[in-house]
Amino acid sequence: KAGVTQTPRYLIKTRGQQVTLSCSPISGHRSVSWYQQTPGQGLQFLFEYFSETQRNKGNFPGRFSGRQFSNSRSEMNVSTLELGDSALYLCASSLYSGGQETQYFGPGTRLLVL
Amino acid sequence: GDSVTQMEGPVTLSEEACLTINCTYTATGYPSLFWYVQYPGEGLQLLLKATKADDKGSNKGFEATYRKETTSFHLEKGSVQVSDSAVYFCALSVNTGNQFYFGTGTSLTVIP
Repeated sequence: KAGVTQTPRYLIKTRGQQVTLSCSPISGHRSVSWYQQTPGQGLQFLFEYFSETQRNKGNFPGRFSGRQFSNSRSEMNVSTLELGDSALYLCASSLYSGGQETQYFGPGTRLLVL
Repeated sequence: GDSVTQMEGPVTLSEEACLTINCTYTATGYPSLFWYVQYPGEGLQLLLKATKADDKGSNKGFEATYRKETTSFHLEKGSVQVSDSAVYFCALSVNTGNQFYFGTGTSLTVIP
């Protein structure tokens, strides 16, 4: 079974631009979560989608948004990029939404904002 | 709130040495506990997990026991290899949702 895939793997943008990242979960998984990983802050939870609905949200500004499609694929959008948005963005999928579920991570999208 | 406190790194060990990475947690309810590993340039991979008190997770020679009385989930391996060099993350997830809380990560380097 194919793992979680994320596209693109690398991205360079300039301040003020917007960016859309894509995540395809493991086949059959219905929950997709997004995380931001930076050297200073570590792994921080952005949001989780389950069956096209946002179920949980972390403490990020409204510039960070996401959505999930009926095939469980998810996109994350960051508008008005800031230098501090430079990070590795990780997507994780799980079969269901619930605390017992193991999350399986993709390789990440590395975003550099200049 | 829910959180994970993980041993600071980096950790450098010689091959075949014993490894312990400490992890303690604070959680409401009854969390599931996880150890993930991240190799350079890659995403996180599940190493092991435990879903209730006294459960022991194990994989690839690594072990961790869910200790409710000490709110801990320390990662141990009896004999590390160079290929174990990576960053290790302790994490918890509470039953009320699918949100994971991660520790800051511990970098391990194993030298031959």
